Amino acid sequence: EDKVVQSPLSLVVHEGDTVTLNCSYEVTNFRSLLWYKQEKKAPTFLFMLTSSGIEKKSGRLSSILDKKELFSILNITATQTGDSAVYLCAASAGNTPLVFGKGTRLSVIA
Amino acid sequence: NAGVTQTPKFQVLKTGQSMTLQCAQDMNHNSMYWYRQDPGMGLRLIYYSASEGTTDKGEVPNGYNVSRLNKREFSLRLESAAPSQTSVYFCASSERRNYEQYFGPGTRLTVT
Repeated sequence: EDKVVQSPLSLVVHEGDTVTLNCSYEVTNFRSLLWYKQEKKAPTFLFMLTSSGIEKKSGRLSSILDKKELFSILNITATQTGDSAVYLCAASAGNTPLVFGKGTRLSVIA
Repeated sequence: NAGVTQTPKFQVLKTGQSMTLQCAQDMNHNSMYWYRQDPGMGLRLIYYSASEGTTDKGEVPNGYNVSRLNKREFSLRLESAAPSQTSVYFCASSERRNYEQYFGPGTRLTVT
């Protein structure tokens, strides 16, 4: 059975800290790994990674994929209170819908 | 360009009542999805439609039915609501079934 596991489940940091969120996956016919941010409402798309070792960046957020070890990390540098959210990881595989992890809840306190 | 829209935003039902949640997308996507999200459970796929005219069960289909009305619209029906169906429901769409998905704003449903 395809699965995506995220860790930690929750995290509390202070503004200015750097955080690393983890996502491991076991899926058949893996195609890509996606990250979403969910604040109080709907998930919003952040990144899609298809190739190992190529870092995707958007401002203070960056992500990288390791297809050999079957994991991805999402880094957030110089965290701000606006980064507080649930971060979801999902794997795209074969011809099936995305498989989502349960998410990591990040709380950034001033 | 509204993206994915859902109606209603909130709904309270009594046990046994029925209702339909509506979803529409204007991105010309082929695939559409219905999820429920409960605390600690993440997003769970109820049903999806890979393309117009097809629907498939997801992880938690019991108690729900869907209709892909046309390429734009995908509805979710609860025939006889139960308290266990209290949840937040999200509709999503994607160009194809294994591509990135874009989500609607959600419907918060309470069944008493």
